Order: sequence, then structure tokens, then C-alpha cells
Amino acid sequence: ETVVTQSPATLSMSPGERATLSCGTSQSVDSSLAWYQQKAGQAPRLLIYAASTRATGVPARFSGGGSASEFTLTINSLQSEDFAVYFCQQYHTWPYTFGQGTKLEIK
Amino acid sequence: QLLLQESGPGLVKPSETLSLTCTVSGGSIMTTDYYWAWVRQSPGKGLEWIGYVYYGGTILYNPSLRSRVTISEDTSKNQFFLELTSVTAADTAVYYCAGQPSWFDPWGQGILVTVSS
Repeated sequence: ETVVTQSPATLSMSPGERATLSCGTSQSVDSSLAWYQQKAGQAPRLLIYAASTRATGVPARFSGGGSASEFTLTINSLQSEDFAVYFCQQYHTWPYTFGQGTKLEIK
Repeated sequence: QLLLQESGPGLVKPSETLSLTCTVSGGSIMTTDYYWAWVRQSPGKGLEWIGYVYYGGTILYNPSLRSRVTISEDTSKNQFFLELTSVTAADTAVYYCAGQPSWFDPWGQGILVTVSS
């Protein structure tokens, strides 16, 4: 099983700042990585797939990068609605696995 | 727009079988564009992929749950199903159904299933 590790567990930022979230995998997943945003009481929402492709309707301030086993999600100019939990997920190797999440909180 | 909706009991007794239905609207499950998946989320284990069913009958399960899980579909009703046998408190979670082109999108709203006597 491919283990997915996210860091940090919690990130405290202020609106308007840039946030960088990290995701690592225990083996290479090429570019088969997705990012999701989850708000309290809601299902996860797809933000990024194929490591760097924004899903339909996702604002341009969200960008994904990386390949192989190291990935980042960058959120430029944080808006109030961006404070949530973010998960990454690999779909290169079955079983498909998720990271434990990074909580982005208001500083 | 593809929409998914989970339904089923919110409370299941230990050792019994958890049974959930996912109803798909806005498109047919008879498509090669999606695998139809189940994912669960619990405080202890985070997000966990359970398995999927694919048009034509291909089914794949997470090895960690394979001995207890059955996923099936009813194309006439545009639904797919999850059965999890011999449940324990560790199976308490929010269960989501999702379309899975490779990543998961879209998701249903989720249903909380509590295992308790």
C-alpha cells in the first residue's frame, strides 16, 4: 500500500497570505495525485487532479505542483472561504489512499 | 450535472450487516467514464477507499475490507450498493459514494452510520 503523508497537520495563516501545503508518498505515483478541500459537515471537493490540473470551477489562486513522491498545493492570497481541511490522494496504485489532512486555520 | 445520493440506516448493531444505496442522477451508471466507488471517513482512520464497481461488472475492493465487503449495481435503477458484514464500532463512519474517473469526483453528501447496540 502506498502511504500518503501530509504536512503540516495544522497551518495557521492570515487572509491575503500564501499557503503552501505538502504531500509525500511512500513510492512514486508519477503525477497521479489529487487534492481535495473539505469544510465542516460537507463532502470533500475536488480541487486538483493529475498533480497540477485545476478541476472545473476552482479559482486560479489554487495551484498544484510536484511529481513522483513530493507534491505541493499552493493557495495564493487566502480568502476567508479557503480556511478548511485539505487532503491529498494518490490514484497511481491500488488501493487508492489518502493523506491524513492539513487543517488550514485563521491566524 | 452528475449527482449522487446515499441512503440507508444510520444505526447498525454490532455483528450485523451495514447496507447502503447510492442513487445516481444526471447520468447513467452504464458508462465507461466512471468507476462507482464507496469511501468512508472516520476520526480514527481518516478517508478510506472501500471499493468500486465498474460498467461490465468489474469490482475491486480494498484488501483491508475485502473479506467483509460486497459492492453491486442495479443498472435499471441507476443505483449501486454497499454491504459490509460483521460490523463493529470501528466501522462507525461517514460513508460517501463517489464517481471515480481516477480521482473522486463527484461525491455524494455522505451518510453517518453508527455501529452501536
